[in-house]
Amino acid sequence: GQQLNQSPQSMFIQEGEDVSMNCTSSSIFNTWLWYKQDPGEGPVLLIALYKAGELTSNGRLTAQFGITRKDSFLNISASIPSDVGIYFCAGSTGTASKLTFGTGTRLQVTL
Amino acid sequence: DTAVSQTPKYLVTQMGNDKSIKCEQNLGHDTMYWYKQDSKKFLKIMFSYNNKELIINETVPNRFSPKSPDKAHLNLHINSLELGDSAVYFCASSQSGSADTQYFGPGTRLTVL
Repeated sequence: GQQLNQSPQSMFIQEGEDVSMNCTSSSIFNTWLWYKQDPGEGPVLLIALYKAGELTSNGRLTAQFGITRKDSFLNISASIPSDVGIYFCAGSTGTASKLTFGTGTRLQVTL
Repeated sequence: DTAVSQTPKYLVTQMGNDKSIKCEQNLGHDTMYWYKQDSKKFLKIMFSYNNKELIINETVPNRFSPKSPDKAHLNLHINSLELGDSAVYFCASSQSGSADTQYFGPGTRLTVL
């Protein structure tokens, strides 16, 4: 089956630093999504991308849909303590509403 | 108002028991899902219902049976619980026209002893 690999697996950064993470797939997706999961909560949608090459921002977050349609990137600028959590990418081929989730990137922010 | 709610939040039970988890959404969506998140935080879809009809059924043991009494509810019944069923189970919903933007519930942490 399809697999989405995220890197890095985890990151420890200082408050104010910028963060970059990526997600790669062995197959093509038509939609890329980025979610954040706080401890004890369900994933919350951050950004949705629908076209190859698309660059979309949501506040300090910016995500890009890779040209090959097999990858996506998420950047967080000027990190703050509340950015702590697990970030998941997810891809969809548009078939039967199925989302395939990535392996997750755990972000820790120190003061 | 909670958009997607699940009950219970925590469920601790013995091996071999039967248990149910309930999910309700008040977003007016017509598609609902169940996901399983294991101890390594890997999220995998189990089932999806659209207008009370099953549209996704991943490779899940027959002991797991979803039931959708109406568009706003999707319950998950698990028979003969096993140790490996311990996980966090998430319900989600979306509108079929924008099936890729799914809203998740808070999760049910199931522990099988």
